[in-house]
Amino acid sequence: GAGVSQSPSNKVTEKGKDVELRCDPISGHTALYWYRQSLGQGLEFLIYFQGNSAPDKSGLPSDRFSAERTGGSVSTLTIQRTQQEDSAVYLCASSPGSSLMNTEAFFGQGTRLTVV
Amino acid sequence: AQKITQTQPGMFVQEKEAVTLDCTYDTSDQSYGLFWYKQPSSGEMIFLIYQGSYDEQNATEGRYSLNFQKARKSANLVISASQLGDSAMYFCAGRGYQKVTFGIGTKLQVIP
Repeated sequence: GAGVSQSPSNKVTEKGKDVELRCDPISGHTALYWYRQSLGQGLEFLIYFQGNSAPDKSGLPSDRFSAERTGGSVSTLTIQRTQQEDSAVYLCASSPGSSLMNTEAFFGQGTRLTVV
Repeated sequence: AQKITQTQPGMFVQEKEAVTLDCTYDTSDQSYGLFWYKQPSSGEMIFLIYQGSYDEQNATEGRYSLNFQKARKSANLVISASQLGDSAMYFCAGRGYQKVTFGIGTKLQVIP
């Protein structure tokens, strides 16, 4: 597709279960971001991938959170042993390489995660 | 490193009036870009406008303009002739040589 695709769009899970959220960036975009947005709040940075460089994981809130990006394209955000405070919308964004600083990040529609 | 600061959690504006949303930034990068995004209640993130650090002219896109004051490190968004559909969250963002960094957002409500 032409845009950033995230799946699932909605996920309800029981506390303590693991979840995987998927992001398909725009083809050719080397940068990929994950953000978390709680209801009515701003964007909380989670992790940033740029090409083959080591990811910037400085925003991951705990070791229950991890992400990988396979083949420089699709990314999966995994949350282990989910807690109710993990409930939020998880947004993925992609952008062209870091040298192109005049290009914006393109966002997916997000995955709404509800932990019950 | 980039730091984006938005100090207005919420703003009200009368329909058809202009409104300015504040954004200041801090960066050690020589070259950088500044962006504004709109997030309506539907949740999608809509790119509005871009300003490059070396651009001499303030960016404009329709009713949106970016009041860029480099010495003050500010990149305020000006929306002219506000419309009810402008009610949304607005995020300022910056990008240098590394990742895009976002501010915490300003909630704008347009009053009929």
